[in-house]
This record gives sequence, C-alpha cells and structure tokens, in this order.
Amino acid sequence: KAGVTQTPRYLIKTRGQQVTLSCSPISGHRSVSWYQQTPGQGLQFLFEYFSETQRNKGNFPGRFSGRQFSNSRSEMNVSTLELGDSALYLCASSLEGRTSGSDEQFFGPGTRLTVL
Amino acid sequence: KQEVTQIPAALSVPEGENLVLNCSFTDSAIYNLQWFRQDPGKGLTSLLLIQSSQREQTSGRLNASLDKSSGRSTLYIAASQPGDSATYLCAVGVGGTSYGKLTFGQGTILTVHP
Repeated sequence: KAGVTQTPRYLIKTRGQQVTLSCSPISGHRSVSWYQQTPGQGLQFLFEYFSETQRNKGNFPGRFSGRQFSNSRSEMNVSTLELGDSALYLCASSLEGRTSGSDEQFFGPGTRLTVL
Repeated sequence: KQEVTQIPAALSVPEGENLVLNCSFTDSAIYNLQWFRQDPGKGLTSLLLIQSSQREQTSGRLNASLDKSSGRSTLYIAASQPGDSATYLCAVGVGGTSYGKLTFGQGTILTVHP
C-alpha cells in the first residue's frame, strides 16, 4: 500500500508570493491533517479536512488555507509569504481523523519551504 | 491547554545499550498516544500507538507504556543500534471535536554510536 505523498518536496519563494502544497493520503484514508514544523516551535497543527470539509483549525493566520477534493487529496495554500513561513510542512492521513482509539496518523515526507 | 514534554532533549549512548525515553503530558484526558521517529529532513514514521485503554504496546525491540493517571509514557528501546539514531517524538490525541490534531512534544534526539 502506497504511503502518504507530498509534492513538491522543496520550494523556494520570495516574500509576498503565494504557494500551494499538495498531499495525497493513503488509499482509503479520508482525513488529512497539516502541520508546520520549525526548529523553534516544533510541530504545530494547521488544520484538518474530512470529506471535503474543514473540521478543525489551529492557531494560524488566515493566510494559511486549505481544501480537500472528493478523492481525499488535499492542498494547502499560503498567501503573502513571510520569512517566518519557512518551515517543513507535513501532512498526515488517517481513516477518520478521530485522534482516539486505533485511528493512527501516518505522515508524508514533507515539503521544505524556504522564503527569501 | 495540553502540553507535552519530552526528557531528555538529547541522549547519546553506545551501541547495545537499553534505553528509555520519557514523555509527559499535562492533561490526562487523552484518547491515544503515538510515538514517532524522524530522520533528519524527513517526515515522521509511526512506531507505536497506544490507546487510552491500553497500558503498553510492543513492536520488535520497542516497547511503549502509558500511565494516564500520572500523565506519562515511556518508550523503551532494547539493544540499541546505530540505525536507531533519530529524533523521537511523542504525540497525544484527545478525541472529541479535536479532529486530526495531535499535540507533540519537542522530541528527544538519540545518537547511538558504534
């Protein structure tokens, strides 16, 4: 069974630009979560999608947005990039996103975003 | 607000040693806990998931325990190998409407030298 895939793996952008990252979950998984990882803040939750609906959102500004398609693939978008947005962006998939019981999260390899 | 702490922040051991990584959380109302490893510049690999009703889980040389009442989990690695060198992260899930959100510790950087 193929794992979680993310594209692109690396991105270099300049301040003010926008960027779109893509995540394909494990087949059969309907929940996709996004996280930002930085050396200073560690892993922080961005948002979660299930059946094309955002069900949960972390404490990030509105410049960070996402969506999910009918095949469960998800994209996240960051507009008006700032230097502080440089990070590893990870997506995770699970069957139902319940964060309870046996609903395990599986992570992709991440997209390394550098903002110059 | 749930906070997760991992001790020690870094650990260096010789090959073959048994070792214990610690994870503590402030709110005992968790529904599961996952241990992950992360190699430099890579994504997270799930190692073990412990449901709140369980006390421990084992996979090969790894054993994770959970004590909800005291807010602690430990990851025991037996007969460590250089290939075990990585950052180990624990994360808790609280279920309910907190869909998709795991709260992570800062990790323990493990180095196993030959």
